[in-house]
Amino acid sequence: AQRVTQPEKLLSVFKGAPVELKCNYSYSGSPELFWYVQYSRQRLQLLLRHISRESIKGFTADLNKGETSFHLKKPFAQEEDSAMYYCALSDPLNTGTASKLTFGTGTRLQVTL
Amino acid sequence: ETGVTQSPTHLIKTRGQQVTLRCSSQSGHNTVSWYQQALGQGPQFIFQYYREEENGRGNFPPRFSGLQFPNYSSELNVNALELDDSALYLCASSPGQGARGTQYFGPGTRLLVL
Repeated sequence: AQRVTQPEKLLSVFKGAPVELKCNYSYSGSPELFWYVQYSRQRLQLLLRHISRESIKGFTADLNKGETSFHLKKPFAQEEDSAMYYCALSDPLNTGTASKLTFGTGTRLQVTL
Repeated sequence: ETGVTQSPTHLIKTRGQQVTLRCSSQSGHNTVSWYQQALGQGPQFIFQYYREEENGRGNFPPRFSGLQFPNYSSELNVNALELDDSALYLCASSPGQGARGTQYFGPGTRLLVL
């Protein structure tokens, strides 16, 4: 069965330090993976998707099929990066043409001075 | 462009009661998905609607049901509420059939069952 694992509930780093939020997945087939972020008092929003291969707010994530990982990285953490981060996998529904998101349990990133 | 809205924001019910949660999709989006997020967990997929038809369902019992209307707004109904139904209920909309990952979430409805 498809599954997304985020092993860390909380990651605390100093401002300016590198950040790596871990995500591992279990999925048979070619996965579509995403990172969603929820800032304090805001709604859940898409941060980035692996097929876009883009950098958003300095964050990047590379899909490693061999290690079944999709870790989120940023070289220098900023205070405004403090938020809840969810890794998610797009999973086709039974109908075959639709899909749903399977989320991990999330990692809270805390950036301190 | 209007984002996804949900009502009410908070709700308190007692065990055995029924509840209806509402969602207005983002302008131009015809697919709505519902998720349940228990405390400390990631969102879990309940079901999805596309053009007023249920498009797929997660591992939730039949007492969780839904509707989508011609304007693509949607309702989530939960009958015979149980204590474990206490959670944040999220609605997400997306353009086109299905949701290939990019979903736009509402602020959620927080349900407390006593």
